[in-house]
Formats: sequence, structure tokens, C-alpha cells
Amino acid sequence: AQSVTQPDIHITVSEGASLELRCNYSYGATPYLFWYVQSPGQGLQLLLKYFSGDTLVQGIKGFEAEFKRSQSSFNLRKPSVHWSDAAEYFCAVGAGGSQGNLIFGKGTKLSVKP
Amino acid sequence: DTGVSQDPRHKITKRGQNVTFRCDPISEHNRLYWYRQTLGQGPEFLTYFQNEAQLEKSRLLSDRFSAERPKGSFSTLEIQRTEQGDSAMYLCASSPGQGWGAFFGQGTRLTVV
Repeated sequence: AQSVTQPDIHITVSEGASLELRCNYSYGATPYLFWYVQSPGQGLQLLLKYFSGDTLVQGIKGFEAEFKRSQSSFNLRKPSVHWSDAAEYFCAVGAGGSQGNLIFGKGTKLSVKP
Repeated sequence: DTGVSQDPRHKITKRGQNVTFRCDPISEHNRLYWYRQTLGQGPEFLTYFQNEAQLEKSRLLSDRFSAERPKGSFSTLEIQRTEQGDSAMYLCASSPGQGWGAFFGQGTRLTVV
């Protein structure tokens, strides 16, 4: 069965520092992979997605993610974090087939120190 | 605003009452999903529509839950005889097709007292 693991429940970084959020997935075929961000009281906003091709994908708000098939990982990165990036981040894998519903990880809460 | 719209944003209900939520997807999206999210968890899939057809239901969706999407446009999610365990954020999402990801509404927060 498909699954997503986000090993870090909570991460704190200083403003201006680099960020990497980890995501590991379990899926039998080439997955569709996504990162979403959720601010308090808000719905989820799609940051970026990977289907195929270039394993380094660029997203909105200066985020990027790299798909590594050998490690079953899809880590999210940002070179310089802004205070407004504080939010919860969810990695998701497309369940495939005709449905296309998403399997989400439990999320990583990002706090940003001034 | 052309995003996914959900109504109401908040609902407080007494245990045993029925509640209904509405979702208006992005107009050109034929796929519509309902998810449930509890505190500290990621969203969990409940059900999926392609146009008006309900193609998949999660085991999380007990008999007290029913969803419809008449005419393939808006969707409703009804919970009958609500229980305290139903308290959660109910998220609706739509998509133009597999692999595009899903575009989420802001959710309906249900509190059962």
C-alpha cells in the first residue's frame, strides 16, 4: 500500500537559514509526488509537483524539491527561509490508477526564529 | 475568486444531529475529492467523484456519511447522527485530471458537542 513518511514533526530554523524538509514514500510504480503548505486556519496550497522528467522541480515561493528514486525520497528545500514560511508542510503521493486521490504524510510544522 | 469554495466554514452541532456541507469546485475540474483532517494529522481521503459518479469511498466513510455530486458540479457531504469523533476539518478538493494534484478549499471545521 502507498504511504508517506515525514520523519520530522517540528523543525525550527532561523530566518535567512536554509531549509530541508524530508519526505519518504512507498509506492510500487513511478509516483506522482506533491508538496503542500497549510497556514493556520487555511486550506492546503500546492507548492510543487513531480510527475516525470527532471528530478529537481521548482515550485512557488522559492521552494524546490528533488526526487530520488533510489532513496524513495522527495525532500523539499529552500535556500533562505522567510518568517512568512512558518506553516505546516505536507508531502503527498498520488495513489494512481483512475482515482488519483492523494496519500498524505502527517506533516512537518516549520517555525522560523527571527 | 475562482478557487474551490466550501460552505459553511465552521459548524458546531450537537451529538446526534445531521449536518451537510457544500463544496463548489473549480468550474472546469471534473474530479472532486473529500478529505478529513484531524489535529496533528495529514488529510485523509474520504471519497472521490469523477463528474457525477462516485468512484471510490474510503473505509473511513461509515454508513453515516453520504456524498453526492448531482450534475457533476457542486458536491455535498452529509453526516447523519453526528458523533464527537466526527469533529474535524472537512476539506474539499478538485482536479482537472490525474497527476495534476488537487486544489483545496479552505475547509469546513466541524465541532460536535
